[in-house]
Amino acid sequence: EVQVVESGGGLVQPGGSLTLSCAASGFTFSSHWMHWVRQAPGEGLVWVSRISSDGRVTNNADSVKGRFAISRDNAKNTVFLQMSSLRAEDTAVYYCAREYGAPGHFDSWGQGTLVTVSS
Amino acid sequence: DIQMTQSPPSLSASEGDRVTITCRASQSIGSYLNWYQQKPGKSPKLLIYAASHLQSGVPSRFSGSGYGTDFTLTISSLQPEDFATFYCQHSYITPYTFGQGTKLEIK
Repeated sequence: EVQVVESGGGLVQPGGSLTLSCAASGFTFSSHWMHWVRQAPGEGLVWVSRISSDGRVTNNADSVKGRFAISRDNAKNTVFLQMSSLRAEDTAVYYCAREYGAPGHFDSWGQGTLVTVSS
Repeated sequence: DIQMTQSPPSLSASEGDRVTITCRASQSIGSYLNWYQQKPGKSPKLLIYAASHLQSGVPSRFSGSGYGTDFTLTISSLQPEDFATFYCQHSYITPYTFGQGTKLEIK
């Protein structure tokens, strides 16, 4: 069964840092691009970041450029989102998603991990 | 960035109704358009990919159409479990923007 499971969310002060993890199982992780999508409370879905299957290509939304960095460890079937200089507006549930096809669609999503930026 | 505009933002309908949600892209995206369903407190679920392809396991009452800038999601006969929020998303070029969502409520 294809599965992705996020972890690492929590409460962080403005200006602080946090690293999210997404552990994948049930598929050949190194063959798929992976993405992060976030959803602020009561709001819609916002694409955040993506990484190529080999980790060489990354792209970020303008709202997080220079503050967030996506990476992956194909030996451990895990993708990461390093977040720094966090702002109140980064408060959201962060979802990890597998992209299927090229370019494709997000066919598997995790349950999400909540990041709250507040003093 | 490509902007995705969904309409209507919300919709009230009854079980058995036929419902159509539209999504318009700010520039042509070919068929790189996906539809997701999200229920409260849950993660999104893929319904339709590449504009018209039904994801495995999704009931056939869901269908998608369109090409270029104008797309539609149709539910042929609403079932109680279909009431949720629906999002379109393009995958033409990053950022892979989502529409603002259409909340489908029970009339």
